[in-house]
Amino acid sequence: GDSVTQMEGPVTLSEEAFLTINCTYTATGYPSLFWYVQYPGEGLQLLLKATKADDKGSNKGFEATYRKETTSFHLEKGSVQVSDSAVYFCALLEAGTALIFGKGTTLSVSS
Amino acid sequence: EAGVTQFPSHSVIEKGQTVTLRCDPISGHDNLYWYRRVMGKEIKFLLHFVKESKQDESGMPNNRFLAERTGGTYSTLKVQPAELEDSGVYFCASSQGDRGRYDEQYFGPGTRLTVT
Repeated sequence: GDSVTQMEGPVTLSEEAFLTINCTYTATGYPSLFWYVQYPGEGLQLLLKATKADDKGSNKGFEATYRKETTSFHLEKGSVQVSDSAVYFCALLEAGTALIFGKGTTLSVSS
Repeated sequence: EAGVTQFPSHSVIEKGQTVTLRCDPISGHDNLYWYRRVMGKEIKFLLHFVKESKQDESGMPNNRFLAERTGGTYSTLKVQPAELEDSGVYFCASSQGDRGRYDEQYFGPGTRLTVT
């Protein structure tokens, strides 16, 4: 069945460092791909999405490109801030199904 | 526009007791989903309503879990009797439901359930 694998955390960075969180997927069809974020004490929020191959989703300085050839959707940010500290979830959605999530990656940014 | 709301935000109960979680979706959203994240693991699908009908309940772990969505509005998820392994965060999400894999799901803040 479909699945999502993302790098285990926690990821600990200093402010202004470059961030990459790896995400790969397996799917039978042509899914949409998502990154969700959960800030401390809050619910899940959609961070960005891409619906077809080579699409780039971007939001709040974060980017991810839908790579069909490598079945990947890695999350990147050029310069992280303390306020980016959160848990990040990669997910996929195929038509007629529910979201399938990865295990989540905890990011901790220190000043 | 109000987002997805969930009640309570936290619940601590003893093993064997009953707990009912509530979710109010975004107004007009036909699709309602329940998900659960057990500590340190992935968020897993529990079930999916389309209006008041259960479309898919393949993720429900066992018959101690009962979900309802009367009238196609809010939904409740009852756990009876609760076991230790039911501890986790229960998320509810809603979507318009007519856009296939483009159908964005909006999540509530979750209910943290602790069974002692």
